Amino acid sequence: KNEVEQSPQNLTAQEGEFITINCSYSVGISALHWLQQHPGGGIVSLFMLSSGKKKHGRLIATINIQEKHSSLHITASHPRDSAVYICAARGGGSNYKLTFGKGTLLTVNP
Amino acid sequence: NAGVTQTPKFQVLKTGQSMTLQCAQDMNHNSMYWYRQDPGMGLRLIYYSASEGTTDKGEVPNGYNVSRLNKREFSLRLESAAPSQTSVYFCASSGPTAGNQPQHFGDGTRLSIL
Repeated sequence: KNEVEQSPQNLTAQEGEFITINCSYSVGISALHWLQQHPGGGIVSLFMLSSGKKKHGRLIATINIQEKHSSLHITASHPRDSAVYICAARGGGSNYKLTFGKGTLLTVNP
Repeated sequence: NAGVTQTPKFQVLKTGQSMTLQCAQDMNHNSMYWYRQDPGMGLRLIYYSASEGTTDKGEVPNGYNVSRLNKREFSLRLESAAPSQTSVYFCASSGPTAGNQPQHFGDGTRLSIL
């Protein structure tokens, strides 16, 4: 069974700071998902990646397959970025089930 | 542009009551999922359906049943609700092709069992 660990569990930042959230997994995967959940809200898929790096606006996701590690970066953070960020790993082959991390609660203060 | 629609959004039940959570998607996705989310834990898969007519157990299926009514709809039933089933339930879908696809989530159902 894949174990997915996120760090930190909680993160507080000042507006404008560069944010990094880390995700490690224990076994090989076919894809790594990053999700965002605002307090009391639904879950939105931010990225799905299997290699390299993806960028969308101020968000950047990277993955290192050899080290079984992914990072989510937020540049020029803003209070509206405050949310729980969740990583999820998808197994290989026909196993399309996701194993989720417990999430990182990000609070960006003005 | 509805995506994944869950009903109801909130529900309070008494122990032993039954209810069905409804989920529908309008994206022509083959795969659908039911998760529960509890404080301090990651999302956990209850049941999933890889395609119309098929369902399979996930990580925490006990106390639940599902029905893939057609390609659009995937319902989750609690036959005899227990306080341990108090949680936020999310339905998701992915597809339409096989392989790596992002999952699209509904807004969740907040269920309290008294």
